[in-house]
Amino acid sequence: GESVGLHLPTLSVQEGDNSIINCAYSNSASDYFIWYKQESGKGPQFIIDIRSNMDKRQGQRVTVLLNKTVKHLSLQIAATQPGDSAVYFCAENRAGGYQKVTFGTGTKLQVIP
Amino acid sequence: EPEVTQTPSHQVTQMGQEVILRCVPISNHLYFYWYRQILGQKVEFLVSFYNNEISEKSEIFDDQFSVERPDGSNFTLKIRSTKLEDSAMYFCASSGGPGTDTQYFGPGTRLTVL
Repeated sequence: GESVGLHLPTLSVQEGDNSIINCAYSNSASDYFIWYKQESGKGPQFIIDIRSNMDKRQGQRVTVLLNKTVKHLSLQIAATQPGDSAVYFCAENRAGGYQKVTFGTGTKLQVIP
Repeated sequence: EPEVTQTPSHQVTQMGQEVILRCVPISNHLYFYWYRQILGQKVEFLVSFYNNEISEKSEIFDDQFSVERPDGSNFTLKIRSTKLEDSAMYFCASSGGPGTDTQYFGPGTRLTVL
């Protein structure tokens, strides 16, 4: 069945360092992946996405890597800032008419000033 | 920047009462969604809506739930007879296209059922 999950529940990072948040998925049919950031009391905020025909995509200070061989996804945040403190969810969607986004359990990123 | 808005931000109701949660999706979007998040848990899909009908729903979305787009801007979620376990954050989302189009989420409505 479909499953999107995260390796670590909490990640503490020193301000200025790079952060890496990992995610595993089990459904080989998954072909679209999204990273969302959720700050306390707010809705999920889109960060970056990647389709299964790519293995890397870069945004502003963020990079997503996709390894389809081992069904692994990661989010890299460069020069982590206090404002990056939040819960990060990887999520999966599938082409072919499916519309729901399936969320993982989330990793809490704590930035130490 | 366009955004999804939701009202109210917090709704408190008695068990058995009906509640309506309201959302205004991004204006040129065609696909609308409701998700919920029980405290401390992951976000769960409830339902998607396109062309004035439900296109996909989860097992959570039973007969107590309904959705409606009563006019050109609002999208509502109704829970007919609330239960204690309906207490959660409810997020509305919208996208310009189906499937792999980015879904943008609103700030959520916190529903507390007493």
